[in-house]
Amino acid sequence: GESVGLHLPTLSVQEGDNSIINCAYSNSASDYFIWYKQESGKGPQFIIDIRSNMDKRQGQRVTVLLNKTVKHLSLQIAATQPGDSAVYFCADLTSGTYKYIFGTGTRLKVLA
Amino acid sequence: NAGVTQTPKFRILKIGQSMTLQCAQDMNHNYMYWYRQDPGMGLKLIYYSVGAGITDKGEVPNGYNVSRSTTEDFPLRLELAAPSQTSVYFCASRQTGATNEKLFFGSGTQLSVL
Repeated sequence: GESVGLHLPTLSVQEGDNSIINCAYSNSASDYFIWYKQESGKGPQFIIDIRSNMDKRQGQRVTVLLNKTVKHLSLQIAATQPGDSAVYFCADLTSGTYKYIFGTGTRLKVLA
Repeated sequence: NAGVTQTPKFRILKIGQSMTLQCAQDMNHNYMYWYRQDPGMGLKLIYYSVGAGITDKGEVPNGYNVSRSTTEDFPLRLELAAPSQTSVYFCASRQTGATNEKLFFGSGTQLSVL
């Protein structure tokens, strides 16, 4: 059953519109960043990643933007579909260490 | 392509009972992790392992134990279950390399301690 993200910020978008989900990180030594999608009752699923030597990386319908100056990461989903409804969260890592730091997540609701 | 496999998916325990959450990966990853996820919270690290025979504590290790006798398996043991251990537990393994350091997650175990 649903036990994840009961009090998360929610982003509601119309089907077909673009979605932008934001994430702030605090560790200036972090040099690797990941976005995950988590559907109800499932484990987190990898979406896209980016290294700190890049500002932007594109995948299929998704783009990640990294602004190291303000320690900000965003995930853009183009032409949002009902299947995109889920909780999205970011994680950052300093290479050579073991510890990923996870954000709490944003719930994306796609309105038909 | 099994990836990371966790069992069981659901479990209800009584206070004071013990159980082992199983985790196996078939990707030959050295790093493995156990996290717990509480409602509205980010993933919290319980224990991690950098290879067979090596384990270390994460942020919230109290009440848990792990072992890593093989590269594939990383079981999590709860000795005396408490209501505070009600949570969803995720095991993950880590791909390492020059281009990415992805974490691959299992589907989770939802544990209730009553």
